[in-house]
Order: sequence, then C-alpha cells, then structure tokens
Amino acid sequence: DAKTTQPPSMDCAEGRAANLPCNHSTISGNEYVYWYRQIHSQGPQYIIHGLKNNETNEMASLIITEDRKSSTLILPHATLRDTAVYYCIVRGMDSNYQLIWGAGTKLIIKP
Amino acid sequence: DGGITQSPKYLFRKEGQNVTLSCEQNLNHDAMYWYRQDPGQGLRLIYYSQIVNDFQKGDIAEGYSVSREKKESFPLTVTSAQKNPTAFYLCASSKGGASYEQYFGPGTRLTVT
Repeated sequence: DAKTTQPPSMDCAEGRAANLPCNHSTISGNEYVYWYRQIHSQGPQYIIHGLKNNETNEMASLIITEDRKSSTLILPHATLRDTAVYYCIVRGMDSNYQLIWGAGTKLIIKP
Repeated sequence: DGGITQSPKYLFRKEGQNVTLSCEQNLNHDAMYWYRQDPGQGLRLIYYSQIVNDFQKGDIAEGYSVSREKKESFPLTVTSAQKNPTAFYLCASSKGGASYEQYFGPGTRLTVT
C-alpha cells in the first residue's frame, strides 16, 4: 500500500471550510483514498473514500487530483466538534484488508 | 442499534497475567480487526479475520492471540509474552472487499503494571 504524507497540525476558524491536504505520490491505479478521523480517546470514524472521482457525503467532500498523487478533504462548515486527528489512508483492492495508518493531521477548530 | 461493542473500557492488570479483550459486532460483517494505538501514533494492525474460523497476523502479532469461532465475536488475548502491553486497543469490522470502510468500537485502554 502506498504511503501518505499529511501536515502534523492545522487550525481553522469555526464556521469556515477546513481543507486538509494529503500527498500520496506513489499511489497505484487500483488503490482507494480513505479518510477517517479520531476524536480524543475514541475509536476512529469513517468519513469518506474515493478512487478517481471527487466524492461528497453528508460529512465532507473529497477532491482527488487528476494524477491521483494528492487529495484534499473539505469540511465545509467546521464546528468545534470537528476537532480531531484526521487520517488519510490509501488501500489496495487486493485480498489484504489492511489499512496502513500514519500519524494524521491534528485539526483544531477555534471559536 | 447496530454497532461494535468493546468491553471493558478500562482494564488494569499485573505484569505476567494474560488478559482477554472482548469485541462484538451486530453489523453482520464478515471481516474483523484488532489494532493497537500508542500515544500520538497511528493505529497498528495486530490480527485480522476475513471469515469465521480463519485469521491472519498483522504487523505486530507477537504476544497476542485471537479466535474467531462466531461471526459476531473476535476476542483478543494479550499474553504475558507481550513486552509492552499498555496501550489503547481498537476493534473494527467491515464487509468483505477492499472498497468497504471499517467501523470501529470505542476501544479498551489496557494498563499493565
């Protein structure tokens, strides 16, 4: 599975859009990009995933560049409850079900 | 409500004792996973199971054991052979296939002294 690079921390003002970048320059054609978040001392929560096309759900939008070497998770109207560590993970379609977790980005939403 | 339950939330043990962490899911998921998380770190895979009566080692399986006798249950035993057992343990489940997301339980924080 490809490795990912994320900034260790970011701040965002409450009510503004939070844009979390992720680089995955070695991603292969059959690998998905997944985003999870973990609020302190809780289990991670799935946010969104995508392969090639941009995706949107009730929580966030995922923008994947055309070359698939990077992506951005967008929280459109950040609230204080969005303060968490956000993990970007790439995962292949083979029989190995593993997710390879990095250290993620600590997102702090400020009032 | 469907979901994953882990018990207990906090667990304290003396060094040299084996301890079993419970994980139950009622999502009818085929695959289940155990992860370990140390402070400030990402998750590391201990064991995973794609189907009942079958499981595979993850990256850090030494000192741990699992069983998968029922689809809904995947208990993890932390043995005395695990050198640094104090950690936050997370259980997850998913449908089969790499395109499916994993759902996590609330975790068990194990402290061994």
